[in-house]
Amino acid sequence: AQSVAQPEDQVNVAEGNPLTVKCTYSVSGNPYLFWYVQYPNRGLQFLLKYITGDNLVKGSYGFEAEFNKSQTSFHLKKPSALVSDSALYFCAVRAIYSGYSTLTFGKGTMLLVSP
Amino acid sequence: DAGVTQSPTHLIKTRGQQVTLRCSPKSGHDTVSWYQQALGQGPQFIFQYYEEEERQRGNFPDRFSGHQFPNYSSELNVNALLLGDSALYLCASSLTGTSVTGELFFGEGSRLTVL
Repeated sequence: AQSVAQPEDQVNVAEGNPLTVKCTYSVSGNPYLFWYVQYPNRGLQFLLKYITGDNLVKGSYGFEAEFNKSQTSFHLKKPSALVSDSALYFCAVRAIYSGYSTLTFGKGTMLLVSP
Repeated sequence: DAGVTQSPTHLIKTRGQQVTLRCSPKSGHDTVSWYQQALGQGPQFIFQYYEEEERQRGNFPDRFSGHQFPNYSSELNVNALLLGDSALYLCASSLTGTSVTGELFFGEGSRLTVL
C-alpha cells in the first residue's frame, strides 16, 4: 500500500532563513508526489508536484521540492522563509487502485516562521 | 471561474442524527472526491464519484454514502452520527483524464461537530 510519512509535527524557523519540511514515501511503481498547504480553517491549496523529469521541482510562493529516489524522499524547501509561510503542510502520494487514483496524505507538518 | 464550493461551512449535530454535505466542483471537472480531516490529522479518503457512480472507497463504514448528480455536483451523507465523526469534510475535484498526474482542487470544507 502507498503511504507517506512526515516525521516532524512542527518545524520552527526564523524569517529569512531557509526552511525544509521532510517527507518520505512508500509506493509501488512510479511515485507521483504532491505538496499542499493549509491555512487555518481553510481547505488545501496545491503547491507543487513531481511526476517525472528533474528532481528539483519548483512551485507556488517560492517553494521547491527535491525528489530523491534512493532515499524515497520528497522534501519541501524554500531559500528564505516568510512569516506568512506559517501554515500546515501536507505531503501526498498518488495511490492507484484498479486503474483509478486518489491521493494519500501524510499527517502534516506545522511550519512556524518567527519574525 | 468558480473553484470548488462546499456547503454548509459549519454545522452542529447530535449523536444519532444524519447530515448531508454538498459540493460543487471546479468548472470543467467531472470527478469528485471526499475526504475527512480529523483534528490534528491529514485528510483521509472517503470515496470518489465519477459519472454518478462511486468508483473508489476508502476505509469508511456504510454509514457514509454519497451521490453525484448529472451536473457533477455531489453530496456526502452520514447516518447515525457518532462523536468520532466530528471533523472537517473536504471535497476535491479533478478531471478524470488527468487523474494520475493532475492535482486535486479542494474546497474550504464543511466543519461538522457532533455533540
